[in-house]
Amino acid sequence: ETGVTQSPTHLIKTRGQQVTLRCSSQSGHNTVSWYQQALGQGPQFIFQYYREEENGRGNFPPRFSGLQFPNYSSELNVNALELDDSALYLCASRPDWGTYEQYFGPGTRLTVT
Amino acid sequence: GDSVTQMEGPVTLSEEAFLTINCTYTATGYPSLFWYVQYPGEGLQLLLKATKADDKGSNKGFEATYRKETTSFHLEKGSVQVSDSAVYFCALSDQAGNTGKLIFGQGTTLQVKP
Repeated sequence: ETGVTQSPTHLIKTRGQQVTLRCSSQSGHNTVSWYQQALGQGPQFIFQYYREEENGRGNFPPRFSGLQFPNYSSELNVNALELDDSALYLCASRPDWGTYEQYFGPGTRLTVT
Repeated sequence: GDSVTQMEGPVTLSEEAFLTINCTYTATGYPSLFWYVQYPGEGLQLLLKATKADDKGSNKGFEATYRKETTSFHLEKGSVQVSDSAVYFCALSDQAGNTGKLIFGQGTTLQVKP
């Protein structure tokens, strides 16, 4: 069973630019969630997708958007980057059954200058 | 809304000392509770979980008991090692809307000295 992978590992962008982060979930996990972890803080829920449909969203503006594909891959897109978007972005997947435990990828470190 | 509060760190212990990291929560309904660990430069790893009141989660010598009466899920280990140095996050699953999103505490840094 493969784990959750994310790419790229690190990314540097300029304020106002757009960025796409990618995630490959564990096979068979139809639910994928994205979290933002600012330095020294706990992860904050951005949104969740189930079978390619968004089915939950945290307190993030619409410039944070996502896609999920049938092959267990997904994307997080952020438009009009702001300095405060600098953070570690974590992708997590979970199976359709069970106790809501989620399996996290290593994250993408985004720096906005 | 639901929330998780952890004791502030950093926590600095000598090797083989006893560890307690306090975690309390506020939630409607009956959430599942989790402890995740984050080693430097890495993502989160699930350490242990408990799904109902009085359940005890355990893994790698770590334990935590789901206490509904005190809304707590304190993490304990009898004898810590240098390799346990990491950031520990307490989390609950938000049952609202059946999304199962995780709500995290702010994290507690543990440093174990030889």
